[in-house]
Amino acid sequence: SQTIHQWPATLVQPVGSPLSLECTVEGTSNPNLYWYRQAAGRGLQLLFYSIGIDQISSEVPQNLSASRPQDRQFILSSKKLLLSDSGFYLCAWSAPGQVSNQPQHFGDGTRLSIL
Amino acid sequence: AQTVTQSQPEMSVQEAETVTLSCTYDTSENNYYLFWYKQPPSRQMILVIRQEAYKQQNATENRFSVNFQKAAKSFSLKISDSQLGDTAMYFCAFNKPGSARQLTFGSGTQLTVLP
Repeated sequence: SQTIHQWPATLVQPVGSPLSLECTVEGTSNPNLYWYRQAAGRGLQLLFYSIGIDQISSEVPQNLSASRPQDRQFILSSKKLLLSDSGFYLCAWSAPGQVSNQPQHFGDGTRLSIL
Repeated sequence: AQTVTQSQPEMSVQEAETVTLSCTYDTSENNYYLFWYKQPPSRQMILVIRQEAYKQQNATENRFSVNFQKAAKSFSLKISDSQLGDTAMYFCAFNKPGSARQLTFGSGTQLTVLP
């Protein structure tokens, strides 16, 4: 069966520091991968999605970037964090291709606090 | 662009009773998919139920069922025999066909099941 791992679960970082959040998927090949941010009490905002290695689409202009160095690895990064980057970050995967009836499966999330 | 609206930020229900969460969406597509996700206090996003727009029959998963009204662009979630473990944030989501970008989420409804 497929599993998704996301870490760390909690992270406290000072303003201006770098960021690296990692997500890996097991049990499937060439999944679609996603990074979302959820502000407190709010819905999910799609940040990045990827349909393959080195194929990443950015949804909103921001201080963050994403990379997919391996088929089942998706990394969210920042060179210099801002206070506004605080939030709950969720990684998700779905079956490969663009068949839109496939649900997304989420990791457990990372709570990021910027001080 | 598609939009998803959840007009009830918070709801509560007594244990064992039935509650309905509302969701409306706006799209020019004729075929699409709709989902309800649940996010308990643990913050993990869990798929509850999904509906394919070309199917007239409402989807059902145990105590969860939907009332899909395509002409009205309405997709409500009914929870029967509510349990304490149903306490969570519930998100309605729309999936555009043929797009790996996939889900557009509503802002969520916080459901509290009261003992």
